[in-house]
Amino acid sequence: AQTVTQSQPEMSVQEAETVTLSCTYDTSESDYYLFWYKQPPSRQMILVIRQEAYKQQNATENRFSVNFQKAAKSFSLKISDSQLGDAAMYFCAYRSARGGYQKVTFGTGTKLQVIP
Amino acid sequence: EPEVTQTPSHQVTQMGQEVILRCVPISNHLYFYWYRQILGQKVEFLVSFYNNEISEKSEIFDDQFSVERPDGSNFTLKIRSTKLEDSAMYFCASSGGTHLAKNIQYFGAGTRLSVL
Repeated sequence: AQTVTQSQPEMSVQEAETVTLSCTYDTSESDYYLFWYKQPPSRQMILVIRQEAYKQQNATENRFSVNFQKAAKSFSLKISDSQLGDAAMYFCAYRSARGGYQKVTFGTGTKLQVIP
Repeated sequence: EPEVTQTPSHQVTQMGQEVILRCVPISNHLYFYWYRQILGQKVEFLVSFYNNEISEKSEIFDDQFSVERPDGSNFTLKIRSTKLEDSAMYFCASSGGTHLAKNIQYFGAGTRLSVL
C-alpha cells in the first residue's frame, strides 16, 4: 500500500519570503501522480500543483513549484513570495496511474502560517 | 471554471437518523469519489464509483454507507443510521475520462456532518 508522510505538522514564513514544505512517499509503482492540495479555513480542498512521475521536469504554477526526486521518493513544495492568502493546511497526495478509479492517498498535512 | 458542487454545506442530524449528502460532479467527468476528514485528521478515501457501480471501497465504507447516481448529474452518499463517529467533513470528487483528466481529482467544498 502507498503511504504519504509529511513530517512538518506546522511551518511559518514571513510575508514575501520563501518556504518549502516536505513530503515523502512510499510506493512500488513506477507510474503515478503526486499532488499538493491547499485547505484554507473554509476546509475546501484546492489543487495547487501536480507532478506526473514520468516527467523529470519539476512542475511550476506561478509562485508554487515542486522539487520531485523520484529515486528518493521525495516531493517538496516551494512557495515563493509568500502571501497572507497562502496561510492554510497543505496536503501532499499520491495517486496511482494504474486506472481511472484509483483513490488519492493523503498525508497528514502541514499547517502553514504566514506572518505579516 | 467548472466545479464540483456539494449540498448542504452543513448538515446536523440526530444519532440513528439517515442522511443523504449530495454532489453534482463536473459535467463531463466519469469517475466519482467520496472522502471524509474527521476534524484535525487527514483526508480518508471512502469509495470510488464508475459506470454506475462501485469500483473500490475502503474498510470505512461498511454496510451503513451507500452511493448512488440517481440521474445524469447527481452523486449521493447515504448513511443509513448515523453514529457520533460519523461526524466529519465529507468531500465529493470527480475526474474526467481522458488519460490525463482521469488522474486529476477535483474536490467539492465539502459537507460538514454533525451527528448529535
